[in-house]
Amino acid sequence: NAGVTQTPKFQVLKTGQSMTLQCAQDMNHNSMYWYRQDPGMGLRLIYYSASEGTTDKGEVPNGYNVSRLNKREFSLRLESAAPSQTSVYFCASSEYLDGLSYNEQFFGPGTRLTVL
Amino acid sequence: KNQVEQSPQSLIILEGKNCTLQCNYTVSPFSNLRWYKQDTGRGPVSLTIMTFSENTKSNGRYTATLDADTKQSSLHITASQLSDSASYICVVSSNDYKLSFGAGTTVTVRA
Repeated sequence: NAGVTQTPKFQVLKTGQSMTLQCAQDMNHNSMYWYRQDPGMGLRLIYYSASEGTTDKGEVPNGYNVSRLNKREFSLRLESAAPSQTSVYFCASSEYLDGLSYNEQFFGPGTRLTVL
Repeated sequence: KNQVEQSPQSLIILEGKNCTLQCNYTVSPFSNLRWYKQDTGRGPVSLTIMTFSENTKSNGRYTATLDADTKQSSLHITASQLSDSASYICVVSSNDYKLSFGAGTTVTVRA
């Protein structure tokens, strides 16, 4: 049971290049999320998918697109990378655990992206 | 605007000592408050989650408190260990999908 996995772990891009960050979870969770974490700031939600087939914008969606490929996988795409997108990106998944009234989020290890 | 403020920004403590981290929030509506531990180079891991009706919750040597009236929470670490060195993040949830994250308190435990 690997939990939430992300690839790649590190990436360096030049301004204007595109790339896709991959995320997969093996916990059969319905909901998945993409966050970015910048120094001195809290994590900010980019996009989320409440269930397979749906996606919604979060707090900072500009410059990103997402795809919920199936229940397990949720990818984040940067079409034309900019230096302002240099950050650490975290994927998370969540589900209501038995007996709880809230959903617990489980995070992946992160992807460290630098845009030159 | 929903905000979560944590203090101090960082602290250093000796192994075996206790410490308390603070969190103030202005998030509304309020669903629950979470504390996460984030080791360097890793993703956050949940320590505790408290709903409106809960005012304290423990997870081993970690004890979180919540005062929903004053919109304040604290995380107390008892008998600190070297492995407690990490960033501790306060998170307030408005609903299932919208979490407001604090910037974190970096704790360094020294032998």
